[in-house]
Amino acid sequence: AQSVTQPDIHITVSEGASLELRCNYSYGATPYLFWYVQSPGQGLQLLLKYFSGDTLVQGIKGFEAEFKRSQSSFNLRKPSVHWSDAAEYFCAVAQDSNYQLIWGAGTKLIIKP
Amino acid sequence: EAQVTQNPRYLITVTGKKLTVTCSQNMNHEYMSWYRQDPGLGLRQIYYSMNVEVTDKGDVPEGYKVSRKEKRNFPLILESPSPNQTSLYFCASSLGARGLETQYFGPGTRLLVL
Repeated sequence: AQSVTQPDIHITVSEGASLELRCNYSYGATPYLFWYVQSPGQGLQLLLKYFSGDTLVQGIKGFEAEFKRSQSSFNLRKPSVHWSDAAEYFCAVAQDSNYQLIWGAGTKLIIKP
Repeated sequence: EAQVTQNPRYLITVTGKKLTVTCSQNMNHEYMSWYRQDPGLGLRQIYYSMNVEVTDKGDVPEGYKVSRKEKRNFPLILESPSPNQTSLYFCASSLGARGLETQYFGPGTRLLVL
């Protein structure tokens, strides 16, 4: 069965520092991969997605993610975080059978001033 | 404004008392879905609907019912709530009839079952 693992429950980063959030997945023939962000008290918002093509995907709010098939990873990055990036981040993969999303457990990002 | 609305936002109830959480979207989306979010487990899909009168079970459908009589509405029904259904619930919708399209989420409904 397909699955998504986000190894870090919490990550603390200083404002202005770079960020990398890890996501590992198991997949079938074609991985459809997503990153969503959940700001405090709000619903989730799509940051970016990967279906095929260029393995470096640009998203909103200055985020990018890189698909690495050899490592089964889809890590999210940002060169310089802002206090407003404090949120919970979810990685997801679409199931081969019915394209419904399987979600990781989430990584909570804490920003130090 | 394009949005997904859920009501109520907060609900405290007792075991066995039927409740309905409403979900409505104003974007003419075909696809709608319900998730529950629990700490350490991420989001788990309860039910989804690819169009009016078409619903399917997700990963954790036990204890829940849904209906899709109109395109814009997708209520979640708990016929006999139990404490293990205490959770944060999200409704989502997307334009296409598959989960691959960008999903737009409601603000969430926090449910406590005593």
